[in-house]
Amino acid sequence: AQKITQTQPGMFVQEKEAVTLDCTYDTSDQSYGLFWYKQPSSGEMIFLIYQGSYDEQNATEGRYSLNFQKARKSANLVISASQLGDSAMYFCAMRESLISSGSARQLTFGSGTQLTVLP
Amino acid sequence: ETGVTQTPRHLVMGMTNKKSLKCEQHLGHNAMYWYKQSAKKPLELMFVYSLEERVENNSVPSRFSPECPNSSHLFLHLHTLQPEDSALYLCASSQYVGPRDTQYFGPGTRLTVL
Repeated sequence: AQKITQTQPGMFVQEKEAVTLDCTYDTSDQSYGLFWYKQPSSGEMIFLIYQGSYDEQNATEGRYSLNFQKARKSANLVISASQLGDSAMYFCAMRESLISSGSARQLTFGSGTQLTVLP
Repeated sequence: ETGVTQTPRHLVMGMTNKKSLKCEQHLGHNAMYWYKQSAKKPLELMFVYSLEERVENNSVPSRFSPECPNSSHLFLHLHTLQPEDSALYLCASSQYVGPRDTQYFGPGTRLTVL
């Protein structure tokens, strides 16, 4: 089974509207971290937001928020007030615990969602 | 320079060439990584260095050879590559602080093997 699943290969949103990008994950660990990255066409992976499995509140960073539903193993990214510059590929990633993965540093990425913001 | 830088940004090489990719981080981090991003595939972790020591090598072919001379610099030496090695190679760095260890990426080197 895939560890990170992003079921939306492509999404469109009107400028100034909100959009939700889906991410589900699979782990048997109790301690893990979830990350979202943005990759514009230039190629650079830009860190957006982090959610820890023990964090009681959903993470927020400016216009980005993470809708974390632990029981459902989902960590959806919500972008509010979309801007044209938000058009990019978005990746969800997970880091599991040291014990299960054998490494505290291994990040597993999903296949990404291409977001296009329409003027 | 700030963040993570990579050179060159684009590289075209023949299968018999030898070339090197360079990564430099200006964040004071203690871990560095090489990732490969092929078309229509998730990112694949290739190598991890922590405090200049290689701690992970994810079954990468020997035609890729990493080098980490200090905590700020990371190289990926390439020789006798195959066309299927054409991809975007991303470098990242992080400061290990437990679960919140966040990796910061460079702009990548887009490699084409002819």
